[in-house]
Amino acid sequence: GQQLNQSPQSMFIQEGEDVSMNCTSSSIFNTWLWYKQDPGEGPVLLIALYKAGELTSNGRLTAQFGITRKDSFLNISASIPSDVGIYFCAGFLNYGGATNKLIFGTGTLLAVQP
Amino acid sequence: DSGVTQTPKHLITATGQRVTLRCSPRSGDLSVYWYQQSLDQGLQFLIQYYNGEERAKGNILERFSAQQFPDLHSELNLSSLELGDSALYFCASSPRQERSFNSPLHFGNGTRLTVT
Repeated sequence: GQQLNQSPQSMFIQEGEDVSMNCTSSSIFNTWLWYKQDPGEGPVLLIALYKAGELTSNGRLTAQFGITRKDSFLNISASIPSDVGIYFCAGFLNYGGATNKLIFGTGTLLAVQP
Repeated sequence: DSGVTQTPKHLITATGQRVTLRCSPRSGDLSVYWYQQSLDQGLQFLIQYYNGEERAKGNILERFSAQQFPDLHSELNLSSLELGDSALYFCASSPRQERSFNSPLHFGNGTRLTVT
């Protein structure tokens, strides 16, 4: 199935460190989303990006919509133990009009050591 | 709590059987999406419904089918189950879609299907 290329695949960091992960594609996306998934739960929306070049923050999280519309990155500053989980990027291939597909990245597993 | 409800939470069944997974979207959301998550395949889009009509199809097998009812809840039917169908199945919903705007999806907590 179609997926976005997300890196790194996993990260093991110390509490307090900053984290950066990114997502790339050969296709152009009109909307980028970042989700976090905890074990046994569904993905939870963290940040939504709607315009090329847009930089959006949500607390310690910052994400950017790449200028080429083919990539996005997510930064987490001053990580804490509860940041542990799997982070997914996701992109819409086309505008709404009641028909759209949200394609997910391969995920980044984040482990934070206290 | 995303407001998307999925039942059952867990399902264990044998190969060859048929199961139905149920999803109630967030209040007011017209679109329902189904995704399959397995360890080696990540989150794979299966199918999307909008206000009762099928709108987009992904990697959904012919043995699988879905529908969205007038009250907007949705069911995913999986038949002739195989061992490889064991996975987490997620439902997500989003509001009315605008032509130039993609509303984010909000996910339920999934149904874990185990085929033995």
